[in-house]
Amino acid sequence: GDSVTQMEGPVTLSEEAFLTINCTYTATGYPSLFWYVQYPGEGLQLLLKATKADDKGSNKGFEATYRKETTSFHLEKGSVQVSDSAVYFCALTTLTGNQFYFGTGTSLTVIP
Amino acid sequence: KAGVTQTPRYLIKTRGQQVTLSCSPISGHRSVSWYQQTPGQGLQFLFEYFSETQRNKGNFPGRFSGRQFSNSRSEMNVSTLELGDSALYLCASRLFFQETQYFGPGTRLLVL
Repeated sequence: GDSVTQMEGPVTLSEEAFLTINCTYTATGYPSLFWYVQYPGEGLQLLLKATKADDKGSNKGFEATYRKETTSFHLEKGSVQVSDSAVYFCALTTLTGNQFYFGTGTSLTVIP
Repeated sequence: KAGVTQTPRYLIKTRGQQVTLSCSPISGHRSVSWYQQTPGQGLQFLFEYFSETQRNKGNFPGRFSGRQFSNSRSEMNVSTLELGDSALYLCASRLFFQETQYFGPGTRLLVL
């Protein structure tokens, strides 16, 4: 079945460090891929998405490229800030399934 | 446009009781999904409703049920609460033919 495997956390970085959070997926058909972010005490917010192979999603300095050949959708940011501290979830959906599949989440803490 | 709203935000119940959670989707969104989030299991899909009909269901016992009203508002009910039902319950809405889900802030349920 469809699934998402996400890099285990927690991750602790210093401010302005480079961030990579790995995400790989298994899916039948052609999924759309997403990154969501959850700040403490809040629900999930859409960070970025990509709907087909080689698409790059980007938002707030974060980027992820849909790689069909490696079934991956790694999240990157060149210079993290303290305000980026949150839990990041990789997810996929295939419209035929009417369902989102989420990774386990990666907790990021950025220290000044 | 107002986001997804969930009420109540916090709830404390005792074992054996039942609980009803409410979700109001973004205006115009007719699809509503429910998720349970726990530290051990992560985000797990409960069910999705569209036009008052359940379209998809996750792997949860029959104690978990839901419904959707003609104005797209949705309720989720859990009967005979167990300690393990303590979780953050998230609601998400979307336009039916679009994949992106928009999440509410969640209802945090504590079962004592």
